[in-house]
Amino acid sequence: AQSVAQPEDQVNVAEGNPLTVKCTYSVSGNPYLFWYVQYPNRGLQFLLKYITGDNLVKGSYGFEAEFNKSQTSFHLKKPSALVSDSALYFCAVRRGGKLIFGQGTELSVKP
Amino acid sequence: GAVVSQHPSWVICKSGTSVKIECRSLDFQATTMFWYRQFPKQSLMLMATSNEGSKATYEQGVEKDKFLINHASLTLSTLTVTSAHPEDSSFYICSARDHGGTSYEQYFGPGTRLTVT
Repeated sequence: AQSVAQPEDQVNVAEGNPLTVKCTYSVSGNPYLFWYVQYPNRGLQFLLKYITGDNLVKGSYGFEAEFNKSQTSFHLKKPSALVSDSALYFCAVRRGGKLIFGQGTELSVKP
Repeated sequence: GAVVSQHPSWVICKSGTSVKIECRSLDFQATTMFWYRQFPKQSLMLMATSNEGSKATYEQGVEKDKFLINHASLTLSTLTVTSAHPEDSSFYICSARDHGGTSYEQYFGPGTRLTVT
């Protein structure tokens, strides 16, 4: 079955340091991959997507993600973390017209 | 940008009663809307896909008689939790696909916190 996995439940980063939130996928064919962020008691906000083209995708709030076909990964990155980036992050894959989400990774950025 | 609203944002109801949650696309038409359920600090579980003017498609394991979905217009879908029980307490999130945009864009509502006492 087509799915995504986020191997880390939580990622802790110091403010100003680079951050990476990992996502691996398992799909047949060309994957449509997404990253969303969720703040407490809120819905999901779209960060970025990979459909085709350049493997490095730039998104909202300074985030970017790199599609790596050989490693079947789509890790979310940011060069310099902010305390306000602390939230729950979801990787998702589009399957049959629906979005299927990974387990989520809680990012904590400390001052 | 595309905005999806949900009403109410939170609701407390007694066991055995029914609760209706509305999902509206405010500035675009949505032929397809999705309903998700989320437990604390867990992922979103897709419950059903709602298509305007037709019956919803439920995911495996979701009781369609318990979670009634109606998508009567291009901007409104409703989820009714019938005969609610404490185990139905959860965060319910809807999302909508922009009919006029790319087929990949899906916009999410702010969620509805349901507590059944």
